[in-house]
Amino acid sequence: GDSVTQMEGPVTLSEEAFLTINCTYTATGYPSLFWYVQYPGEGLQLLLKATKADDKGSNKGFEATYRKETTSFHLEKGSVQVSDSAVYFCALTRSGGSNYKLTFGKGTLLTVNP
Amino acid sequence: DTGVSQNPRHKITKRGQNVTFRCDPISEHNRLYWYRQTLGQGPEFLTYFQNEAQLEKSRLLSDRFSAERPKGSFSTLEIQRTEQGDSAMYLCASSAGTDNSPLHFGNGTRLTVT
Repeated sequence: GDSVTQMEGPVTLSEEAFLTINCTYTATGYPSLFWYVQYPGEGLQLLLKATKADDKGSNKGFEATYRKETTSFHLEKGSVQVSDSAVYFCALTRSGGSNYKLTFGKGTLLTVNP
Repeated sequence: DTGVSQNPRHKITKRGQNVTFRCDPISEHNRLYWYRQTLGQGPEFLTYFQNEAQLEKSRLLSDRFSAERPKGSFSTLEIQRTEQGDSAMYLCASSAGTDNSPLHFGNGTRLTVT
């Protein structure tokens, strides 16, 4: 079945450091790929998405590129802030039928220190 | 847009008791989803409604679980004869009626079964 594997955390960075959180997936066909973020005490929020190969999703300085050849969707940010501290989830929906059903990775806790 | 609302935020119950959670989606959204998140894991899909029709149920949803959305607005998730393994965060999400519409998640109901 479909699955998502993301790098285990926790990840601790200093403010203004470069961030990469790796995400790879297993799915048939051409899934849509997502990054969700969960800030402390809040619900999951969509951060960015990409629906086809080579698409780049971007939002709030974060970027991720849909790489079909490596089945990856790594999250990057050039300069993190304390306010980026949160849990980040990589997710996919399969193409065709049940395309509303998200399959999530386990999440990566990011802590950014001032 | 007041967001997806879930009640209660926390529920502690003794093994064997029944519990019911409520979700109020964003008012114009006709799709509603329930997910379950256990500690250290990503959310897992439980069930999906389009308006009042329950269109898909995960194998995770044993016969002790029942979800309803009687008028296509709010939804309830009931767990009968709770077990310690039911302890988790129960997340509700809603989306508009198109396949690429993002899911909006509530803050969840945390269930602890003692």
